[in-house]
Amino acid sequence: AQSVAQPEDQVNVAEGNPLTVKCTYSVSGNPYLFWYVQYPNRGLQFLLKYITGDNLVKGSYGFEAEFNKSQTSFHLKKPSALVSDSALYFCAVRDGDSGGYQKVTFGTGTKLQVIP
Amino acid sequence: DSGVTQTPKHLITATGQRVTLRCSPRSGDLSVYWYQQSLDQGLQFLIQYYNGEERAKGNILERFSAQQFPDLHSELNLSSLELGDSALYFCASSVNLPGETQYFGPGTRLLVL
Repeated sequence: AQSVAQPEDQVNVAEGNPLTVKCTYSVSGNPYLFWYVQYPNRGLQFLLKYITGDNLVKGSYGFEAEFNKSQTSFHLKKPSALVSDSALYFCAVRDGDSGGYQKVTFGTGTKLQVIP
Repeated sequence: DSGVTQTPKHLITATGQRVTLRCSPRSGDLSVYWYQQSLDQGLQFLIQYYNGEERAKGNILERFSAQQFPDLHSELNLSSLELGDSALYFCASSVNLPGETQYFGPGTRLLVL
């Protein structure tokens, strides 16, 4: 079975400081990893994904994530946080070796609060 | 705008009732997924359809059912509603190739009184 852990329910960071939202995963095959963001009363928006290739993935709104196979992690990062980044962030994983019908498993979400 | 539409946006109903939630996927997407998001259980995968056929099942209750029609829109039917079914219900769609991204609709907020 595959799983995702987001160990922090909430992350607080000052505006302008770098931010990190943590994610670790467990999957039997090759991991396909995703980050989504959810603003209040909105659906989830895709930020970035790792399928293969460079371990550092760049995505929307200046976010990036680093895939670390040995630590089974896929932490989301941004060099300089904006107040508008405040939202709920979800990490997700699916088994890349299981064809197109394997479900995606989402983490429990991390609330990011950027303090002005 | 993801291109996925869901109706209605809000739904208020009573316990024991039945409701139908509707989802239209992005143009060209063959897969539709349904998720339930509640405060205490996070985002839970319910069910996936691909080109009209059920492909994967998650934590979907027997009181819930779904289908995908020939025009690829999907409906999620919730019956014998309970207070605990109050949640946000999201639909997502994808092309269903390896590594595909799921694109989410705006959700339907269901309140069972």
